Amino acid sequence: KAGVTQTPRYLIKTRGQQVTLSCSPISGHRSVSWYQQTPGQGLQFLFEYFSETQRNKGNFPGRFSGRQFSNSRSEMNVSTLELGDSALYLCASSPGQDYYGYTFGSGTRLTVV
Amino acid sequence: AQSVTQLDSHVSVSEGTPVLLRCNYSSSYSPSLFWYVQHPNKGLQLLLKYTSAATLVKGINGFEAEFKKSETSFHLTKPSAHMSDAAEYFCVVSDSGNSGYALNFGKGTSLLVTP
Repeated sequence: KAGVTQTPRYLIKTRGQQVTLSCSPISGHRSVSWYQQTPGQGLQFLFEYFSETQRNKGNFPGRFSGRQFSNSRSEMNVSTLELGDSALYLCASSPGQDYYGYTFGSGTRLTVV
Repeated sequence: AQSVTQLDSHVSVSEGTPVLLRCNYSSSYSPSLFWYVQHPNKGLQLLLKYTSAATLVKGINGFEAEFKKSETSFHLTKPSAHMSDAAEYFCVVSDSGNSGYALNFGKGTSLLVTP
């Protein structure tokens, strides 16, 4: 069974640009959530999607957005990049209820210069 | 909101000795709790989960954790450390809101295993 796939693995962008990250969940999983990991703030929740609907959102500015497609694949977008957006972005998939646990992808390492 | 506190930022043990990583939680109801491990430059791997069934939870690679409501704790243990256990460990609580879920992570405990 294929795991959670995140692309690309590494990305370097310039301040002010925008970026789109992709996540393909485990087949059959309908929930996809996104997390930002930085040395200073640790792991922080960005948002969660279930069946193409955003169910929950963390405390991030509106520059961070996401969406989920009918095949459960998800993308997150960050516009007007700032240096502080440099982080490891992790995607997690789940059947839909928290008691199943979450399977994480390997992440996308974003560097903003 | 549900939260967890990992009581040690670093733990060092010798290979073959027991491991104890401490976690306290704050929750207004019976929480779903998890332990995840992250090896360098890797994603997060689920070690075990507690979802209000048995209070002693067994996970992968010989790890287990005990849910103690009276102490609001969910400590992770392993009888005998292996060199490959060296990694960052996260205690996590699931927080539900707006019909969805969000994982709230502790700050992490870095486990060092010495020969």
